[in-house]
Amino acid sequence: QQQVKQSPQSLIVQKGGISIINCAYENTAFDYFPWYQQFPGKGPALLIAIRPDVSEKKEGRFTISFNKSAKQFSLHIMDSQPGDSATYFCAASKSNQFYFGTGTSLTVIP
Amino acid sequence: EAGVAQSPRYKIIEKRQSVAFWCNPISGHATLYWYQQILGQGPKLLIQFQNNGVVDDSQLPKDRFSAERLKGVDSTLKIQPAKLEDSAVYLCASSLVRVNTGELFFGEGSRLTVL
Repeated sequence: QQQVKQSPQSLIVQKGGISIINCAYENTAFDYFPWYQQFPGKGPALLIAIRPDVSEKKEGRFTISFNKSAKQFSLHIMDSQPGDSATYFCAASKSNQFYFGTGTSLTVIP
Repeated sequence: EAGVAQSPRYKIIEKRQSVAFWCNPISGHATLYWYQQILGQGPKLLIQFQNNGVVDDSQLPKDRFSAERLKGVDSTLKIQPAKLEDSAVYLCASSLVRVNTGELFFGEGSRLTVL
């Protein structure tokens, strides 16, 4: 059973454009929603995270939008750069147990 | 601060052989996780330790996989005998036991190829 559903599977964006990745979850007990960025040959690294008591969190060019009633959250990458090309995973957590989405491969074209 | 260390980085074995992976978490991190990441998929939890006790091993194929965390620090994951479908990257991660922190720190992974 997939606890967290992520889309799209792949995304191609022009440099300077906006990249949007979406995730949905079912378990309302989740209380922490991180996004991880993974480059080839490396482990995932935390990019940004949100808790369900806020609807939006912004860190630089990265924003999480959180819709508790719809049980959905999304990552927005503004002014996308070629260096942002990587695989992005959303996750949901409760009690330090993490469930990951299937990943989105982002390619930013110069 | 040193990150999560894993070894070996790469391993190629024949099916039915055995393999072991080692992980040393960030100092002071009580929670340690082993994830399996198959190409094109998200990490799937195999086992979670808190100190040297198992919190969750519900998705660990116990007929062939085993893991231990002696003395609550480093950990080993063993596969015996390996199957073709075990080809994946095995990621170790650790975290502080703080309810409001939640950040996982991953190692670079151990890539297993089973022929």
